[in-house]
Amino acid sequence: GEQVEQLPSSLIVQEGASVLINCSYTDSASVYFPWYKQEPGKRLQFIIDIRSNMERKQNQRLTLLFDKKTKHLSLHITATQPGDSAIYFCSARNYAQGLTFGLGTRVSVFP
Amino acid sequence: GALVYQYPRRTICKSGTSMRMECQAVGFQATSVAWYRQSPQKTFELIALSTVNSAIKYEQNFTQEKFPISHPNLSFSSMTVLNAYLEDRGLYLCGANSGTANTEVFFGKGTRLTVV
Repeated sequence: GEQVEQLPSSLIVQEGASVLINCSYTDSASVYFPWYKQEPGKRLQFIIDIRSNMERKQNQRLTLLFDKKTKHLSLHITATQPGDSAIYFCSARNYAQGLTFGLGTRVSVFP
Repeated sequence: GALVYQYPRRTICKSGTSMRMECQAVGFQATSVAWYRQSPQKTFELIALSTVNSAIKYEQNFTQEKFPISHPNLSFSSMTVLNAYLEDRGLYLCGANSGTANTEVFFGKGTRLTVV
């Protein structure tokens, strides 16, 4: 089945800096790649997604790049704020499966 | 907007007993509902995917005998954890979407299961 590797496992940055999170997947049949943010006590929050027919998607301070050939995704968060502190998960899905999640990246943003 | 309500939010059960959790989709048709478990300090593991009018597909290490799922219509799904033991503790999430595999998945807030 699908496997998703996510790196790094944790990041500590100062407010205003940028963050880069990388994910790779194994199943070439995966077509949908949503990313989520998990904060303590809150609902898993959808932040951005990309489909396999796209290469780039931007949503305000988030930019998601997708390389179908290398099966690689990267999420870039610019101008980080303390409110961006959370665990971020990438995931992948093909037509016959639920989502397969990466192990998560704990991002800590200090003022 | 589309929302998924999941309940209970927290539950404590004695080792060897069972507990049921439910999800209600509002504002969209939950054609597919997947159940996940996040064990302490771990990522979200897919337990099973249920698609209306299709068989429920369980992932390796998860069985219908242990985690029976019901998905009777386009707005409701439930899952029971039978004979819960310590290793079953964690946050259980349901994620639902309509249409095809590349549509947004909406998650409930989760049911946190503690086994004592």
